[in-house]
Amino acid sequence: NAGVTQTPKFQVLKTGQSMTLQCAQDMNHEYMSWYRQDPGMGLRLIHYSVGAGITDQGEVPNGYNVSRSTTEDFPLRLLSAAPSQTSVYFCASSNTGREKLFFGSGTQLSVL
Amino acid sequence: AQTVTQSQPEMSVQEAETVTLSCTYDTSENNYYLFWYKQPPSRQMILVIRQEAYKQQNATENRFSVNFQKAAKSFSLKISDSQLGDTAMYFCAFMKPSGAGSYQLTFGKGTKLSVIP
Repeated sequence: NAGVTQTPKFQVLKTGQSMTLQCAQDMNHEYMSWYRQDPGMGLRLIHYSVGAGITDQGEVPNGYNVSRSTTEDFPLRLLSAAPSQTSVYFCASSNTGREKLFFGSGTQLSVL
Repeated sequence: AQTVTQSQPEMSVQEAETVTLSCTYDTSENNYYLFWYKQPPSRQMILVIRQEAYKQQNATENRFSVNFQKAAKSFSLKISDSQLGDTAMYFCAFMKPSGAGSYQLTFGKGTKLSVIP
């Protein structure tokens, strides 16, 4: 089983550029979420989804968009990258949201 | 908003010894879940242990156990017989229902644990 797959693993952007971080899971999980991890801050929830067509904001949603057109995929879009979005991004999924989260391996993003 | 506090930014322990990592949280909820996640240098997030708030019995997973004090809003992690592979960042996390069948997970800032040979 692949589990949760995130691409790319590393990315460098210039300020103002847009990009999409991809996340896919093959466990038929309904719940998917995106976190960012900054030094000394732990992980903070950006957006989450409880099923196809349903998304909601987390703690730090500004500057990010998500959509959930299929159960498997939950991409995260940066509309206009800013240096403050330099971080490590994790995608995670679970069956119901209150169980163990399965994490992807993370994307290290640098915005110059 | 829920807050999760890990008051020990860094800790160290001798191999084979026991160490306890502390975590406190603030909530008015009665139904919630608590977790400890481990993040080794590989960056992978790994679930260590999970506790349901309505269960009075403390969760255990092999060498890992928790001391869950609901009234004190405390959720500490005890690692027995520490091994070099336990060296990692440890995150305490709180999860509550947030409506429409969804849940929100809030993490503490983490404790960096070093196991010394």
